[in-house]
Amino acid sequence: GDSVTQTEGPVTVSESESLIINCTYSATSIAYPNLFWYVRYPGEGLQLLLKVITAGQKGSSRGFEATYNKETTSFHLQKASVQESDSAVYYCALGPNTGYQNFYFGKGTSLTVIP
Amino acid sequence: EAGVTQSPRYAVLQEGQAVSFWCDPISGHDTLYWYQQPRDQGPQLLVYFRDEAVIDNSQLPSDRFSAVRPKGTNSTLKIQSAKQGDTATYLCASSFRLGGLDQDTQYFGPGTRLLVL
Repeated sequence: GDSVTQTEGPVTVSESESLIINCTYSATSIAYPNLFWYVRYPGEGLQLLLKVITAGQKGSSRGFEATYNKETTSFHLQKASVQESDSAVYYCALGPNTGYQNFYFGKGTSLTVIP
Repeated sequence: EAGVTQSPRYAVLQEGQAVSFWCDPISGHDTLYWYQQPRDQGPQLLVYFRDEAVIDNSQLPSDRFSAVRPKGTNSTLKIQSAKQGDTATYLCASSFRLGGLDQDTQYFGPGTRLLVL
């Protein structure tokens, strides 16, 4: 079936360290899925961080990057130097490319950045 | 531009009680989604609409849950007889089909946190 698996949290890193949150997906019913990272900051709603719709392309936002790798079915989220304000819960998600298919989220990875 | 709005923000029920959640999507968005998010889990799709039509409700527990979007704008999700297992946050999201890089990107409301005692 279609699913998303991501790094289990919680993850704790120190400010200015690098970060990678792994995400792999299975898309058996969606031929060319769109891939997303969503984020929930404390006290806020779920919001889009970045989106990539083409295999091989990289998305970036707020210093985060993720590359859509169809060969390894991965979409890992990376940041070279995290800040305390990056503390949040991050969700990898798999979405349709036609609008008539479902949307699948990972369980979320809670990140705490220590100053 | 106003985002997705939901109400109420919180609800506490006894088992067997009914509750309704309301969602107002972003203006112009033709697709509306309801998700259930149990604690420490990712959002799980319950049902989604394209305009007023249900596209997929296969994950909606039909014996107790219902959802409508009669005019293709606002939507209501109702639980007829709540169970403790329904304790979760209920999220509404909206998107639009046509045009540009934003196509099919879902925008989420703040959610309704439900506790069933």
